[in-house]
Amino acid sequence: NAGVTQTPKFQVLKTGQSMTLQCAQDMNHEYMSWYRQDPGMGLRLIHYSVGAGITDQGEVPNGYNVSRSTTEDFPLRLLSAAPSQTSVYFCASSRVRGQGRYEKLFFGSGTQLSVL
Amino acid sequence: GENVEQHPSTLSVQEGDSAVIKCTYSDSASNYFPWYKQELGKRPQLIIDIRSNVGEKKDQRIAVTLNKTAKHFSLHITETQPEDSAVYFCAASQNTGFQKLVFGTGTRLLVSP
Repeated sequence: NAGVTQTPKFQVLKTGQSMTLQCAQDMNHEYMSWYRQDPGMGLRLIHYSVGAGITDQGEVPNGYNVSRSTTEDFPLRLLSAAPSQTSVYFCASSRVRGQGRYEKLFFGSGTQLSVL
Repeated sequence: GENVEQHPSTLSVQEGDSAVIKCTYSDSASNYFPWYKQELGKRPQLIIDIRSNVGEKKDQRIAVTLNKTAKHFSLHITETQPEDSAVYFCAASQNTGFQKLVFGTGTRLLVSP
């Protein structure tokens, strides 16, 4: 198993450009999520999904879109990049079980994004 | 929504000393509290977790304690080693079958030889 794979590892954008951060997992995980990590802010949830066709907003969703057409893939789209979106982005996934079951969250290796 | 506060933001200890990192949470419905370690340039990795029906959990040199009444939980590392140097994050979530983790702001631990 490759686990959670993110591409690209590094990206530089100009303000107003669009791009998609890719996330794929091969563990058949139902739950997938995107976090951004900024200095002194910890990790903040952007969007998440509990299965194909189901997505929901996290703490900081503005400026980002997601879709989940397959179990394996959960891309994050920046429609018009802004300097405030300069950050490290992590994708994470886990199984979904019933209440009372605690499934470990697996993180990807991250994407360093700079918006100039 | 949930809010998690973490202290201190930086912690410097000598090798062999103990280190304690503290977190508080706001939502009494939260029932799962993991701790993640992140080395420079790497992904966060789960090192220990605790559920709300347990007061303490130990794994070798690492222990976590939970006080549900006061809504705080702590990470204790004993006999620290230079390889413990990293950023540590606490988190909290309600377990509804999956984890929408809310993270603390992180503690940078530096262990000097």
